Amino acid sequence: EAGVAQSPRYKIIEKRQSVAFWCNPISGHATLYWYQQILGQGPKLLIQFQNNGVVDDSQLPKDRFSAERLKGVDSTLKIQPAKLEDSAVYLCASSLNPGLGQETQYFGPGTRLLVL
Amino acid sequence: AQSVAQPEDQVNVAEGNPLTVKCTYSVSGNPYLFWYVQYPNRGLQFLLKYITGDNLVKGSYGFEAEFNKSQTSFHLKKPSALVSDSALYFCAVRDTNDMRFGAGTRLTVKP
Repeated sequence: EAGVAQSPRYKIIEKRQSVAFWCNPISGHATLYWYQQILGQGPKLLIQFQNNGVVDDSQLPKDRFSAERLKGVDSTLKIQPAKLEDSAVYLCASSLNPGLGQETQYFGPGTRLLVL
Repeated sequence: AQSVAQPEDQVNVAEGNPLTVKCTYSVSGNPYLFWYVQYPNRGLQFLLKYITGDNLVKGSYGFEAEFNKSQTSFHLKKPSALVSDSALYFCAVRDTNDMRFGAGTRLTVKP
């Protein structure tokens, strides 16, 4: 079975520019997550979707970050405008349905963002 | 809110020796606990999880973890380490909708 796909793998931008990341979850997975992993730290959950609805976005900096999953399948995460401290790896993960005890999240390879 | 701590930044073991990577957690309800491994330039890979049932959980690549409710711990173990086990290991706890990861422990297995 195909895993979680993410693109691009790497992105370098200047501060104040915009950037978008794309994620395609494992087929049939209802839940999709975006994480930010700063160097030397564990991943931090930014936003969780259940199908096309947002379940939790409490740690998403909404003044500059946005995410959507319009058709309940793939998702995009956008940063506008980017700051130096946004330099990190952005990980996408998916799971079948946490509410049914199918808790395991499967992660994509990540997008490494460098803001100069 | 839940939290998870990995008290060791680095663990070094010799190949063939047993290894332990420590994790402690704090959660208000029943914990869902996970271990993930991250190899260089790769995404996180699921190793094992505890949801309910037997306190000793067996996972991928010969790893296991023991859930200890009284000590609020979920240490990762392997009886005999391999050089290929060298990687970054993350413990995570889930409570309702929120998944929290520890800062990670870098495991180095030397030949």
